[in-house]
Amino acid sequence: QQQVKQSPQSLIVQKGGIPIINCAYENTAFDYFPWYQQFPGKGPALLIAIRPDVSEKKEGRFTISFNKSAKQFSLHIMDSQPGDSATYFCAAGVLGMDSNYQLIWGAGTKLIIKP
Amino acid sequence: EAQVTQNPRYLITVTGKKLTVTCSQNMNHEYMSWYRQDPGLGLRQIYYSMNVEVTDKGDVPEGYKVSRKEKRNFPLILESPSPNQTSLYFCASRPGNTGELFFGEGSRLTVL
Repeated sequence: QQQVKQSPQSLIVQKGGIPIINCAYENTAFDYFPWYQQFPGKGPALLIAIRPDVSEKKEGRFTISFNKSAKQFSLHIMDSQPGDSATYFCAAGVLGMDSNYQLIWGAGTKLIIKP
Repeated sequence: EAQVTQNPRYLITVTGKKLTVTCSQNMNHEYMSWYRQDPGLGLRQIYYSMNVEVTDKGDVPEGYKVSRKEKRNFPLILESPSPNQTSLYFCASRPGNTGELFFGEGSRLTVL
């Protein structure tokens, strides 16, 4: 119930294409859904996040689509560039029994944008 | 510059030789955490600390120790490293009880 399933594991897209990364969850108590971006040799960094009261959030070329009834959310990258090549992690947040806000992580997607 | 600093960034060691990976943050965050990243397994939490002198186990604590004697520092200790602890380790901190984590640049550890 605490799992977040992320797919695909890897993705290769031509420059200008729209890569889509999907995540699914079971626990309806999750109330925060961030995406983290990790470049090689660096730590993950928060890219964009959404709360379950909205169905879509855009920040620049990055969009999260959220489907509460299907318990799924996805990251879309418009007009993708080689500089977007990175590993992307989805996560879901919930307040734990010890009052600690926990993030449950997806397994990550390695995205390559070909020039 | 606000940052989480880990050292060493790269380390090759042998089975059983105690080592410590240091982590320091300059953002006055109360919460700090350690993760390991392995291919196909994503980020798995090892230990976390919600404040000074308060630490708790994450999902994969076996073989690791931590301490939190000061707010800014959260070292990860491997008392007797084994090859299955070969991994990429990340320290992270966050402001308040939120989902926004600030990660260090990682420490790649190889245990022979």
